[in-house]
Amino acid sequence: EIVLTQSPGTLSLSPGDRATLSCRASQSVSSSQLGWYQQKPGQAPRLLIYGASSRATGIPDRFRGSGSGTDFTLTISRLEPEDFAVYYCHQYTTPPFTFGPGTKVDI
Amino acid sequence: EGQLVESGGGLVQPGESLRLSCATSGFTFSRYEMNWVRQAPGKGLEWISYISAGGGTIYYADSVKGRLTISRDNAKKSVFLQLNSLRVEDTAVYYCVRDGWKLDAFDLWGQGTMVTVSS
Repeated sequence: EIVLTQSPGTLSLSPGDRATLSCRASQSVSSSQLGWYQQKPGQAPRLLIYGASSRATGIPDRFRGSGSGTDFTLTISRLEPEDFAVYYCHQYTTPPFTFGPGTKVDI
Repeated sequence: EGQLVESGGGLVQPGESLRLSCATSGFTFSRYEMNWVRQAPGKGLEWISYISAGGGTIYYADSVKGRLTISRDNAKKSVFLQLNSLRVEDTAVYYCVRDGWKLDAFDLWGQGTMVTVSS
């Protein structure tokens, strides 16, 4: 099983700040099968990034994904109030298709 | 764009069974791989099952293997999850999720259905 570790667990920032979220895999993940999701309280998750670096439909360009192999990063260039949420990385390379434990971005 | 609507959740006792359904609309269901993801209260996301577009390939998480069965009916544009021998730790919101066309990512989520296992 590929274990995904996300850091930090919580990121306390202010609107306008830059957020850098890390996702590390216990073994290599295909870059085409690494995604990032945003979840707000009481809502279903939403796809932000697929293929490690491609933005999903409607996702603003302040969200940027990067990385390969075992190390991936989600960067939010300038936090907007609506970006405060929990972010999960996810691998679709090898079943079980695991999620990371999440990073909470709060004020 | 598409829509997924789950149903079938509820309150059950340990050892009992439930069948969750996910009705889809707005896209060609038979072309898409589907998954179920769950989230225990206050916890993170847990992938639990996958079914290929034609239904011939199925995967389960180890935590549910042997107790859950995923299936689909392409004519009815629906995917199902049979939950047997339910445990307290199966308490969660269960999401039906679509694997986006050639995305290898979950691009469409249902609103979720709550399953509570308690005596």
